[in-house]
Parts: sequence; structure tokens; C-alpha cells
Amino acid sequence: AQSVTQLGSHVSVSEGALVLLRCNYSSSVPPYLFWYVQYPNQGLQLLLKYTSAATLVKGINGFEAEFKKSETSFHLTKPSAHMSDAAEYFCAVSYNDMRFGAGTRLTVKP
Amino acid sequence: DTAVSQTPKYLVTQMGNDKSIKCEQNLGHDTMYWYKQDSKKFLKIMFSYNNKELIINETVPNRFSPKSPDKAHLNLHINSLELGDSAVYFCASSQETSNYGYTFGSGTRLTVV
Repeated sequence: AQSVTQLGSHVSVSEGALVLLRCNYSSSVPPYLFWYVQYPNQGLQLLLKYTSAATLVKGINGFEAEFKKSETSFHLTKPSAHMSDAAEYFCAVSYNDMRFGAGTRLTVKP
Repeated sequence: DTAVSQTPKYLVTQMGNDKSIKCEQNLGHDTMYWYKQDSKKFLKIMFSYNNKELIINETVPNRFSPKSPDKAHLNLHINSLELGDSAVYFCASSQETSNYGYTFGSGTRLTVV
């Protein structure tokens, strides 16, 4: 069975600073990996997904994630944080059955 | 047009009542899901339907019963509501399997008092 672990339930950065949200996966088969964002009182929105076409995946809102098989990681980054990036971020893994991480709340300080 | 729409958005009800949450998707997707998000934001899959057929039925109380009249609709009926059922319930849909990624509805916040 596959699973993901998000390191850090809460990450705080200053506006303009690098955003790094960590995700490690466990899967016995080549995984499909996803990052979703949830703004307050809203549903989850797909940021990006890895489907083995390329290890560096670019998503919406300037986010990207790199698949590293040797480290079983799929960390999410953004070079410069904006106040509007404050939200809950979920990493997920799927092989016909999607499992979500516990989420990381990103706070952006002015 | 909203891709995945849930109704109602908020639901406040007393213990012991029966309630339903409706979900509709206009994306032409084959598979629909119900997830429960608890107060700590943890997302747990409850059910999955593919073209009206039940695919995933995780360990949830049998007070919860999904119904899919057609592949564009997946409703959730809850009998004898309990305080612990208070949560946000999300409907989602995907092409064929979850490997394509989900489109989520905006959620139904259920509060049992």
C-alpha cells in the first residue's frame, strides 16, 4: 500500500522568501504523486502532478516539485512567497487509490 | 458552471437525525468519491464509485450509505447522526482512476449538535 508523509505540520516564511514543503512517499509500484492546495473554507485544488514524464514538474501559481526516486521525495517549492500563498498544502500518492498526507499549513509573514 | 458542486454547503442538525448531501459533476468523469476531513484537516476516503458501481468502501459505519443514480451524481445519506460525524465532507471526481488526479467540490460542513 502507498502512503505519504509530510514533514512539518506548519511552515512559516516571510514574503519573498523561498517556500519549501516536504513530502516523502512510500510505494511498491511507480507512484503518481500530487500536490493540492486548500484555501480557507474551500475545496482542494490541484497544484501539480507527477506521472513519470519528467522529474521536475511545474504547477500553477509558480510552484514546482521535483521527484527524487533515490530519496523517495516529492518536495514542493516556490522561489518567492506571496501573501496569497497562505493555505493548507497536501501531498498525495495514487496507484488506483489516492492517499493524502496530513497537510502542511503555510503562513506567510509580511 | 461549477465542475463539482455539492449541496448544501453548511448543514447543522441534531443528533439522531437523518440527512443527505448531494454531489454532481459536469466534467464527464467516470469516478466519484466521498472524503471526510476532520478538525485536524486529515482527509479520509469513504467511498468511491466508478460508473455507478461501488469500488471503494472503506471502514465507515453502515449509517453512511452512498447512492449513485448515474455517473454524474453521487449522494451521501447519513442515518442517526452522531456528534462524531461533525466534519467537512468533500465530493471529488476523476477520469477513470485516481491516477489522473481529482477535481474537488467546495465541501459540506456538517455540524451535529
